[in-house]
Amino acid sequence: EAGVAQSPRYKIIEKRQSVAFWCNPISGHATLYWYQQILGQGPKLLIQFQNNGVVDDSQLPKDRFSAERLKGVDSTLKIQPAKLEDSAVYLCASSLREDASYNEQFFGPGTRLTVL
Amino acid sequence: AQSVTQLDSQVPVFEEAPVELRCNYSSSVSVYLFWYVQYPNQGLQLLLKYLSGSTLVESINGFEAEFNKSQTSFHLRKPSVHISDTAEYFCAVMKTGANNLFFGTGTRLTVIP
Repeated sequence: EAGVAQSPRYKIIEKRQSVAFWCNPISGHATLYWYQQILGQGPKLLIQFQNNGVVDDSQLPKDRFSAERLKGVDSTLKIQPAKLEDSAVYLCASSLREDASYNEQFFGPGTRLTVL
Repeated sequence: AQSVTQLDSQVPVFEEAPVELRCNYSSSVSVYLFWYVQYPNQGLQLLLKYLSGSTLVESINGFEAEFNKSQTSFHLRKPSVHISDTAEYFCAVMKTGANNLFFGTGTRLTVIP
């Protein structure tokens, strides 16, 4: 079974530029998560989708971050414009479905963003 | 709200020595507890979890963790570490019935030959 795919693996941009990350979850997984992992910290949830609807985006800085999952499969996370403090690893995860007592989350390899 | 504290940011240990990585959590509701491992240049992998039942849970590669409700702890232990155990270990908590993981800041385990 293929795992969660993310691209690109690395991205370097200058502040005020825009950037987009792509995630392809495990086939059949209804729930998709984006996490931000700043160096020296644990991952922090940015947004959670159930199919193509947003379940939780309370931690997403909506003035500059946006995410979509139009067809309930792939997802894109965008930052526009980027700031220095956005330098982090962006992790995508997926799980089978949201309406169960527990669903294991499977993580992709992440995209390492450096903002100069 | 839930929170996780991992007091040790780095733990160096000699090969074949025992190790304990500490994790304490704070929550006003019942929770599930997890340990994730992140090998260099790889994504997070679930190492073991406590959902209910026996408070001692084990992984396939010799790690174990014990849920201690009175001390709100979920420490990770291994009696004899290998070089291949070198990685970053994250403790995480999830409110029962929810799907949001709250992670600690991680502990970097370095096994010294």
